[in-house]
Amino acid sequence: SQQGEEDPQALSIQEGENATMNCSYKTSINNLQWYRQNSGRGLVHLILIRSNEREKHSGRLRVTLDTSKKSSSLLITASRAADTASYFCATAGGFKTIFGAGTRLFVKA
Amino acid sequence: SQTIHQWPATLVQPVGSPLSLECTVEGTSNPNLYWYRQAAGRGLQLLFYSIGIGQISSEVPQNLSASRPQDRQFILSSKKLLLSDSGFYLCAWGGLAGGSETQYFGPGTRLLVL
Repeated sequence: SQQGEEDPQALSIQEGENATMNCSYKTSINNLQWYRQNSGRGLVHLILIRSNEREKHSGRLRVTLDTSKKSSSLLITASRAADTASYFCATAGGFKTIFGAGTRLFVKA
Repeated sequence: SQTIHQWPATLVQPVGSPLSLECTVEGTSNPNLYWYRQAAGRGLQLLFYSIGIGQISSEVPQNLSASRPQDRQFILSSKKLLLSDSGFYLCAWGGLAGGSETQYFGPGTRLLVL
C-alpha cells in the first residue's frame, strides 16, 4: 500500500490565493519530500524536510511536518497560474521512496 | 551537472509485442536507479530499483523485468505486453548511495498498448 496520501485530491483556486495540501503517512520516515509534476512531464523535486525538522521554507513554499500525527502540509503562497500542476508527497526509508496519489492544483488567472 | 534521459518519449505497441525502454544518467557515478509507472491521474507505482550493476529489486510481480548492464544505464523490458501495461513510465536516480534522498526524474515514456 502507498505510504503517503494527499488531501485534497483536487484543488481549484484563484490566482493570488494560498493553496494548502496535506499528506498523511503510516510508518516511520527518514524524511518527507514534496514534488511537482506538470501534465505529461517528469516530477521535479520541490523541498525535503527531515524527520527532526518541523518547518521549512523555500521561496513561496512552506512545508510543515508533524511526526506525532504522521502528517505534512505544503503551503504555496500568492499562487500563480504557472503553479497549476500535480503535487506529490513522498516518504523515504531505506533505498525506496514511496509516492502518494497526489493533489491536482488548478490556479485560475 | 547531472542529466537523465529516457527514450522513446511515446510508444504505441500491440498486445503481445516486446518492450524495451531505456534510461541513461550522465554526470554521476553509482546512482540508485528507479523505474516507476504512473496511471492516468494517479500516483507513482515503484516497479524496480537498482543500487548497482546487475542488482535489481522488484517491487511488483508482473510481466516486466529490468536490467542494469552498465552503471548509468537502466532498461525496462517485457517479452509480451498486456493492455494493463499502458501508462507513463518514469525513470529516476537517487542522490545518496545507501539512502533515498532527493530523486531526479527523466521526462518519461508514454506507452499505449492496443
